[in-house]
Amino acid sequence: QLQLQESGPGLVKPSETLSLTCTVSGVSFSRDNSYWVWIRQPPGKGPEWIGSIYFSGSTFYNPSLKSRVTISLDTSENQFSLRVRSVTAADTAVYYCARIVYQHVDLWGLGTLVTVSS
Amino acid sequence: QSALTQPASVSGSPGQSITISCTGTSNDIGDYNYVSWYQQHPGKAPKLMISDVYNRPSGVSSRFSGSKSGNTASLTISGLQAEDEADYYCMSYTSGNTLYVFGTGTKVSVL
Repeated sequence: QLQLQESGPGLVKPSETLSLTCTVSGVSFSRDNSYWVWIRQPPGKGPEWIGSIYFSGSTFYNPSLKSRVTISLDTSENQFSLRVRSVTAADTAVYYCARIVYQHVDLWGLGTLVTVSS
Repeated sequence: QSALTQPASVSGSPGQSITISCTGTSNDIGDYNYVSWYQQHPGKAPKLMISDVYNRPSGVSSRFSGSKSGNTASLTISGLQAEDEADYYCMSYTSGNTLYVFGTGTKVSVL
């Protein structure tokens, strides 16, 4: 069964690093034309693309977040991860891991709420 | 890169048809047929309803259809049903400074 599941702390202190992992099951990382992505959605707002990683390890980031974001891949564990450094309250959101294929998101994780607060 | 513009809300009675617009620029909707639409119920992840402007994934009701003219894409829901009440977001590939841009979102209400 195709499934993506986010995991990580639900509460992060300001100025610290947000770290999330996405576990992928039932689908191959190496499918052509697939990009593994992180998308976030602040409360009451629309989604925002954070960045993508290809199975080769190539990454693409939203320029507005690029200086603070790292996305990495662990094919042996079927996981990919997100790190956002120096977080502020503006980083509070539901974070989704997902798959983009042929320029649309066809698979979404359930999402995990991350709150930035002291 | 600014978000694509959608009306904040659209409503209709059961059985009616409604259309949600999504306006972008020549850097995104106007230049690429990579517009997708997502339905999101409260507390749930978005669900793909339309890809590549017109294509309906397997399992999505034929009551949902997509179109595009110039820099504006549209999602039409015909035969509106109570279960269609949700938020809807468009998304487009873009040659702007981000790869993908989402819409501002439209809340659909069934009266």
